[in-house]
Amino acid sequence: EADIYQTPRYLVIGTGKKITLECSQTMGHDKMYWYQQDPGMELHLIHYSYGVNSTEKGDLSSESTVSRIRTEHFPLTLESARPSHTSQYLCASSQNGYTFGSGTRLTVV
Amino acid sequence: QKEVEQNSGPLSVPEGAIASLNCTYSDRGSQSFFWYRQYSGKSPELIMFIYSNGDKEDGRFTAQLNKASQYVSLLIRDSQPSDSATYLCAVKNQAGTALIFGKGTTLSVSS
Repeated sequence: EADIYQTPRYLVIGTGKKITLECSQTMGHDKMYWYQQDPGMELHLIHYSYGVNSTEKGDLSSESTVSRIRTEHFPLTLESARPSHTSQYLCASSQNGYTFGSGTRLTVV
Repeated sequence: QKEVEQNSGPLSVPEGAIASLNCTYSDRGSQSFFWYRQYSGKSPELIMFIYSNGDKEDGRFTAQLNKASQYVSLLIRDSQPSDSATYLCAVKNQAGTALIFGKGTTLSVSS
């Protein structure tokens, strides 16, 4: 049973559009993360948060931004989508090990 | 040198055999180690974590950690076709901020 939810599951969008990928968890975890994963490649950390009003950039440079206004909600925003943003975006929260959401597969055309 | 290295495979084993998956890491200060399974098109799911040197067993799975050699492994006993997936090794960085993932090893179990 998933306690961390991502929407949309799939998104195809045109270049230049603003998009927000949603991530919510019901476990009360303070720590949340966004990873990016291309097919056959490793997960790369792009953002993380240790609690409300705390956000940090990860190891992989990303043009996206995040916010953490509520503990349970950690949305990721791309102001102007480009084809290079095409990827799978995975949200996770943690106590010890991470629990991942089902991911958003983004295609920018 | 990548921070977490895994042989990408594929590793092919017959049903009922033992599958051995290996991982090395570069940060000697790492303290926590995780194995995830990822089916094609799905998100990773946690199998096991290990913090101390030695073996940790959970059902058909055994994680082994050797901090001196910076080496982590996962053994899967009595492999089943449903075990066919990509197995990701992950290491919590020394700062403790996040998990660093390897590229994963693809396991194929034939019936």
